[in-house]
Amino acid sequence: DTGVSQNPRHKITKRGQNVTFRCDPISEHNRLYWYRQTLGQGPEFLTYFQNEAQLEKSRLLSDRFSAERPKGSFSTLEIQRTEQGDSAMYLCASSFSTSGRGEQFFGPGTRLTVL
Amino acid sequence: AQKITQTQPGMFVQEKEAVTLDCTYDTSDPSYGLFWYKQPSSGEMIFLIYQGSYDQQNATEGRYSLNFQKARKSANLVISASQLGDSAMYFCAMREGLSGNNRLAFGKGNQVVVIP
Repeated sequence: DTGVSQNPRHKITKRGQNVTFRCDPISEHNRLYWYRQTLGQGPEFLTYFQNEAQLEKSRLLSDRFSAERPKGSFSTLEIQRTEQGDSAMYLCASSFSTSGRGEQFFGPGTRLTVL
Repeated sequence: AQKITQTQPGMFVQEKEAVTLDCTYDTSDPSYGLFWYKQPSSGEMIFLIYQGSYDQQNATEGRYSLNFQKARKSANLVISASQLGDSAMYFCAMREGLSGNNRLAFGKGNQVVVIP
């Protein structure tokens, strides 16, 4: 069990560019979550997958954001036409649906800086 | 409305002493779960302890214990025998409902610095 992995760990981009992040969950976990964390705040929920189905999206997830989880394994989060306000840490987490506690295991995050 | 409130300023604690981190929550759902996570400077969120709303006893995990006061809607984390490696941000989080998407709502966190 190698835990949740995320790539890249850091991304610097210019305003208006598109960026894509990848998350590889713990292999037996069927639920996958994306959160965003800005400086001095706790993580905020963005979206959630059970297997390959995207079941919920936060209103924080504007039309410029899209997430996929093909085949119910890894997931990608794409931000189009980045803005400076998108600068944040993007965290991915996974869990197993039949776990009574529902604890989520987080990856190391991708830190995005938009210049 | 804020579902999780963590209002303590940054805390300094002497090594080997205990520290209590406050967390209050707001929900009308009778079924919920409360979590504490640790976030060191490396950025990864590390799960520490869980308390279910129907659990009769306070949760304990090694040096971590949760002081759960349901009527007051508080779920304070107690770290006993602090170690230098405990220096980190600590986040309280809540999951509402027994099923559903299990999304977590986080507080703003408590900064802890352990001094030798």
